[in-house]
Amino acid sequence: GDSVTQMEGPVTLSEEAFLTINCTYTATGYPSLFWYVQYPGEGLQLLLKATKADDKGSNKGFEATYRKETTSFHLEKGSVQVSDSAVYFCALRRFESTFGDGTTLTVKP
Amino acid sequence: NAGVTQTPKFRILKIGQSMTLQCTQDMNHNYMYWYRQDPGMGLKLIYYSVGAGITDKGEVPNGYNVSRSTTEDFPLRLELAAPSQTSVYFCASSSRQEAYEQYFGPGTRLTVT
Repeated sequence: GDSVTQMEGPVTLSEEAFLTINCTYTATGYPSLFWYVQYPGEGLQLLLKATKADDKGSNKGFEATYRKETTSFHLEKGSVQVSDSAVYFCALRRFESTFGDGTTLTVKP
Repeated sequence: NAGVTQTPKFRILKIGQSMTLQCTQDMNHNYMYWYRQDPGMGLKLIYYSVGAGITDKGEVPNGYNVSRSTTEDFPLRLELAAPSQTSVYFCASSSRQEAYEQYFGPGTRLTVT
């Protein structure tokens, strides 16, 4: 069946550092891929998505490219801020989602 | 649009009690889902529905029941609550037209003592 493997956390960075959170998946066909962000005490919010191979999703300075050849969808941001501290989930979707376990990011001033 | 709404936000149950978590969406989405999120973990699918009158089990359905009598509502029923059901519960909805992008409710934090 489908599965998503996320880079283990927690990840701690200084403000303005470069961020990469790795995500790889196992699935047949061409599922849509998503990154969600969860701020403390809140539900999940969609951060970005890509629906086909080589698509790049981007939002709020975050980017991820759907790589079919490496079955990956790594999340990147060039310069993180304290306000980016949250838990990030990679997800694969057909009509039901398969979520990774989440990566907690803490950004220190 | 209000999106996906859930009630209550918080609840404390005693072992053996029952309760219903409410979930409503106003986006006319066919697909609805219930997840639980245990501390430090990802989301586990409890039940899902592909339309009114149709429900199916997810990864962790034991101890729960659902119904889908309307497109808008997808309540989750806990019978005989157990400490293992202490978790945060999220409802979500999606549609095929939006590539199944899931919209999440704010969650219900449940404690069973």
